Amino acid sequence: NAGVTQTPKFQVLKTGQSMTLQCAQDMNHEYMSWYRQDPGMGLRLIHYSVGAGITDQGEVPNGYNVSRSTTEDFPLRLLSAAPSQTSVYFCASRYYHHYYEQYFGPGTRLTVT
Amino acid sequence: GNSVTQMEGPVTLSEEAFLTINCTYTATGYPSLFWYVQYPGEGLQLLLKATKADDKGSNKGFEATYRKETTSFHLEKGSVQVSDSAVYFCALSNNAGNNRKLIWGLGTSLAVNP
Repeated sequence: NAGVTQTPKFQVLKTGQSMTLQCAQDMNHEYMSWYRQDPGMGLRLIHYSVGAGITDQGEVPNGYNVSRSTTEDFPLRLLSAAPSQTSVYFCASRYYHHYYEQYFGPGTRLTVT
Repeated sequence: GNSVTQMEGPVTLSEEAFLTINCTYTATGYPSLFWYVQYPGEGLQLLLKATKADDKGSNKGFEATYRKETTSFHLEKGSVQVSDSAVYFCALSNNAGNNRKLIWGLGTSLAVNP
């Protein structure tokens, strides 16, 4: 099992550009989520999905879109990048009934200039 | 609402020293409590958990006891190693069925010197 994979590992964008952060898992987990990690702010939930075709907003959804067309993939789209979106982004997944253990990807470090 | 408060870091220790990282929480109902660890350059991974009061979670020499009377879940290890250098996150899960989310502390950075 590859677990949770994320691409790219690093990305630099200019303000106003758009891009998609990729996330995939091969554990057949129903629940997937995106977090951002900022110094002094801890982990904040951006969006989550409880299954293919179902997504919902977390704490900080503005400026981000998600879709879940398959169980395996959960891409995060930045529509028009802003410097405030400079952060480390983590994708996570778990079995829907196993609320107690999430599996995290290695993260994407995004810088917006 | 639900919240988690961790001691601020960084914590710097010598190898074989005793480690305590404090975590207290505020929650309604009966949350489950977790410690996650993030090694340099990696994502977070579950270190241990406790799902009810007085439960003790343990893994890799780390322990934490769910204390409802003091609303605490302090992480301890008797003898730390250089390889324990990482950021440690305390978290709670609210009692909202399978759709429950994790509420995170800010993380405590630990550096262990040889």
